[in-house]
Order: sequence, then structure tokens, then C-alpha cells
Amino acid sequence: DIQMTQSPSSLSAFVGDRVTITCRASQAIGNYLNWYQQKPGRAPKLLIYGASSLHIGVPSRFRGSGSGTDFTLTVSSLQPEDFATYFCQQSYDSSYSLGQGTKLEIK
Amino acid sequence: QVQLHQWGAGLLKPSETLSLTCVIYNGSFNGYSWNWIRQPPGKGLEWIGSINGNGNTNYDPSLKSRVTISMDTSKNQFSLNLSSVTAADTAVYYCARRQYYDFWSSYYDDFWGQGTLVTVSS
Repeated sequence: DIQMTQSPSSLSAFVGDRVTITCRASQAIGNYLNWYQQKPGRAPKLLIYGASSLHIGVPSRFRGSGSGTDFTLTVSSLQPEDFATYFCQQSYDSSYSLGQGTKLEIK
Repeated sequence: QVQLHQWGAGLLKPSETLSLTCVIYNGSFNGYSWNWIRQPPGKGLEWIGSINGNGNTNYDPSLKSRVTISMDTSKNQFSLNLSSVTAADTAVYYCARRQYYDFWSSYYDDFWGQGTLVTVSS
């Protein structure tokens, strides 16, 4: 199975900051990488698919990049509603492997 | 836009059968895969299985012997049955729509139900 390693596991930042979360796959997955946001008690919300394609309705301050094994999610100018847990998920195969998540908290 | 709404029993005893149903609003079965995904407390997501517009199903191998996913096209609903539950099946269960792209090479889950907490306890 493809293993996904996400870092950091937690992150504190101020409103207005720019933050970057990284995700590494144990093998090359092309650009088949999705990013989700999840808030407590809520379903995951798709942010980015295909490593860099913004899902409909997602603000442009979210940007995904990378290919092969290394990927990043960048949030520019954090807004209060962005404080949540983010996780990556490879869609290269059907094993549905995910990163362990990054909890983004307000500093 | 598409909305998914799910329901089902939230408290089960060991050995009982978990049953959840998900209704699709403003969408249809065709062209998509309809999935059940669960999230144990404090853990990541686990894919359970799916059904497509043709009624073809796929299940996670570790759950395959206990899972049945079915659909009722007349009601725009699909359902999950998981038999012989144990405490290890305690989780929030989600239904979700899966969109394939790149000639079915890849996918993403773009619309989700609100989630149902299912607790298995004697």
C-alpha cells in the first residue's frame, strides 16, 4: 500500500499568515493527490484534487502543488474559518490512503 | 448543487446489523460512484465500499464478508448494511459521491453526507 506522510501534525498561526503543509507519498503517484479540510463534527470538505485543481467554491487563497512524491498545500492570508484539520489523500490507487492530518490552530 | 442526507440507527449491540441510508438531492446515480466511508473516533477515514449507477459494487477486502451496499433508484437512495458489528465498528459513517476523472484513472469525493455516529456497545 502507498503510505502518505504529512507534516507538520499541528501548526499554530495568526489570522493573515501564510502557511504550508506538506505531504509525501511512499511511491510516485503522479498528480493524483487530493486535499481535504475537516472541522470538528463535520464531514470532510474537498479543497483540491489532482494536486493543484481547486474544487468549485473553494477560495483562491488555497493552492496545491507538487507531483510524483512531494506535495504542498499553501493557504495564503489565513482567515478565521480556515482553522481546521487538513489531510491529504492519494487517489493513485483504490487503497484510499491518507496522511495523518495537520491541525491548524489560531495562535 | 448535490446534497446527501443520511440516516440510521446510532446505537447497536455487538452482533447486530448496522443499517444506514443516504438520499441524493439534486443529482442522479449515473456517472458517479456512491460510497460509504467511516471515521473511527480520533482516527482517519476508512473506505468501506461503493456502488455505481449500474448497481456494481466494490468493497474493502477487510469488510467484504460483512458489507452489503444497495441502491433504490426510484427513491434516489443507497444503503449500507454491515453485519455482526463489534466495538471496532464504532465510528462516524459518511456517504459520499465519488467523481472519477482522467478516463477513470483517478477520483475525488466531492459531496458528503452529514455523518452518522454509530456506537457499538453492550
